[in-house]
Amino acid sequence: GENVEQHPSTLSVQEGDSAVIKCTYSDSASNYFPWYKQELGKGPQLIIDIRSNVGEKKDQRIAVTLNKTAKHFSLHITETQPEDSAVYFCAASTGTASKLTFGTGTRLQVTL
Amino acid sequence: KAGVTQTPRYLIKTRGQQVTLSCSPISGHRSVSWYQQTPGQGLQFLFEYFSETQRNKGNFPGRFSGRQFSNSRSEMNVSTLELGDSALYLCASSLVGVPEAFFGQGTRLTVV
Repeated sequence: GENVEQHPSTLSVQEGDSAVIKCTYSDSASNYFPWYKQELGKGPQLIIDIRSNVGEKKDQRIAVTLNKTAKHFSLHITETQPEDSAVYFCAASTGTASKLTFGTGTRLQVTL
Repeated sequence: KAGVTQTPRYLIKTRGQQVTLSCSPISGHRSVSWYQQTPGQGLQFLFEYFSETQRNKGNFPGRFSGRQFSNSRSEMNVSTLELGDSALYLCASSLVGVPEAFFGQGTRLTVV
């Protein structure tokens, strides 16, 4: 089955700096790669996603890149703010909402 | 538009008991998936339902079951509870055939 590895497990950045979280996947059939943000006491919130026919996608301060050959994808957050502090999860699937395989999460802390 | 609603938010049960959790998807979403989130195992897929039929199942014992009603609401049941079943149980809804999944806030189950 699919296996998704995520690094780093924790990340501390100063406000205004950029943060990068990286994931690798094992199943070449995977073609949908969402990123979720989970705040304390809440469920995961879909923040951005990318499909395998696209190399990069951007939404304001958030961007995701995908390298299908190397089977890795990354989340980039620019101009970080304290409200970006949360746990971020990457995931992969074969294009249906079911059976998302998640990474182990990255705890991002943005300090003032 | 209301999001995914899960009830109850918190539950405390005793070993050996059974429990039923409920999920109301976003209006118009007919696919419902369930995930278990624990500190040790992370987010793991349990099963997916649409059109009142289980379409996909994760690697969990038969004590974990679910169903979906004609209005797309879903329930999951865990019988003969074990201490290791303590977790945050998350429900996600999506449009059929579309990969974007939206999570509820989860039900925190504690087994004592």
